Amino acid sequence: DQQVKQNSPSLSVQEGRISILNCDYTNSMFDYFLWYKKYPAEGPTFLISISSIKDKNEDGRFTVFLNKSAKHLSLHIVPSQPGDSAVYFCAASANTGGFKTIFGAGTRLFVKA
Amino acid sequence: NAGVMQNPRHLVRRRGQEARLRCSPMKGHSHVYWYRQLPEEGLKFMVYLQKENIIDESGMPKERFSAEFPKEGPSILRIQQVVRGDSAAYFCASSPQDNYGYTFGSGTRLTVV
Repeated sequence: DQQVKQNSPSLSVQEGRISILNCDYTNSMFDYFLWYKKYPAEGPTFLISISSIKDKNEDGRFTVFLNKSAKHLSLHIVPSQPGDSAVYFCAASANTGGFKTIFGAGTRLFVKA
Repeated sequence: NAGVMQNPRHLVRRRGQEARLRCSPMKGHSHVYWYRQLPEEGLKFMVYLQKENIIDESGMPKERFSAEFPKEGPSILRIQQVVRGDSAAYFCASSPQDNYGYTFGSGTRLTVV
């Protein structure tokens, strides 16, 4: 039962252009959404998050959009840089007596110089 | 302030041996989470612990796997009688009490030969 889905295993973008990574979820109890970035041989690092009471959160080059009615969120990176090349995990959490976070399968982003 | 510390970074075990993976959470963090990443897959939740308590072990295989987070010392993920299919990267994360968002360790890469 995949509650968080990232349907694109990989994405290739030219440096300077926008990268858009998509994520869908099925559990309406999720009330907090996060994006993590992972380089090879390292642990995931937190990138940006959004509460379900918002529809947009921006942090520098990174913006997360949330469409609750569609159960969809996306991460926009603009402008994309070669150092952004990594695996990006979408994650969702619900305050149900604990903060277990469910992760998607990840999208590998390649930013070409 | 050290981050989440996992050791060993790499662990090789023969089939049938035991694997013990250790995780020291960030200072002040009382919640620990273990995730497993199989090759070419996303992060799968295994278990969520607080000090001396297992809160959610819904992602743990029913046999051979166990986890603890004692009052003193690191959290331990223990895999008995390892099989080749246990080969994966095991990530530990911690969070402060009543908070979303994790800090991950660098992971332990278990190889069963």
